[in-house]
Amino acid sequence: NAGVTQTPKFQVLKTGQSMTLQCAQDMNHEYMSWYRQDPGMGLRLIHYSVGAGITDQGEVPNGYNVSRSTTEDFPLRLLSAAPSQTSVYFCASSYAGGGPPYEQYFGPGTRLTVT
Amino acid sequence: GNSVTQMEGPVTLSEEAFLTINCTYTATGYPSLFWYVQYPGEGLQLLLKATKADDKGSNKGFEATYRKETTSFHLEKGSVQVSDSAVYFCALSDRVAGANNLFFGTGTRLTVIP
Repeated sequence: NAGVTQTPKFQVLKTGQSMTLQCAQDMNHEYMSWYRQDPGMGLRLIHYSVGAGITDQGEVPNGYNVSRSTTEDFPLRLLSAAPSQTSVYFCASSYAGGGPPYEQYFGPGTRLTVT
Repeated sequence: GNSVTQMEGPVTLSEEAFLTINCTYTATGYPSLFWYVQYPGEGLQLLLKATKADDKGSNKGFEATYRKETTSFHLEKGSVQVSDSAVYFCALSDRVAGANNLFFGTGTRLTVIP
């Protein structure tokens, strides 16, 4: 198993440019999510999904779009990048549903700089 | 709402010293609690978890007890090693409609010197 993979590892954008951060998992997990990590602020949830065709907003969704057309993939789109979106982005996945919380598996991250 | 307050870092310890990283939380329901660890240049890994009051999570010599009366989940290790140098995050899980959303503290950077 490759686990959770993210591409690219690094990206530099100019203000106003668009791009898509890719995330894929091969563990057949229903739940997938995107977090951003900023100094002194920990990780904050951007968007999440509990299955194909189902997405919802997290704590900091503005400026980001997501879709979930397959179980495996959960891309994050920046439509018009802003310097405030400079951050490290992590994708995570886990099983969903009732019962005890399942372990979340994190990808290696994408470091994005917007100039 | 849900929030996690974590001890500010950085923390520098000598090898074999005792470690405590404080974590307190606020939650609307009955959350599960976690400690995640991030080694340099990597993503987060689950270190330990506890799903209900008085549960103790443990792994790799680290322990944390879910204290509902003090809303705390402090991380401890009796004797740290250089390889424990990393950033540690306390988190709680808000189980909404099957989702597994996590709320994180700000992280505590630990450096262990030989």
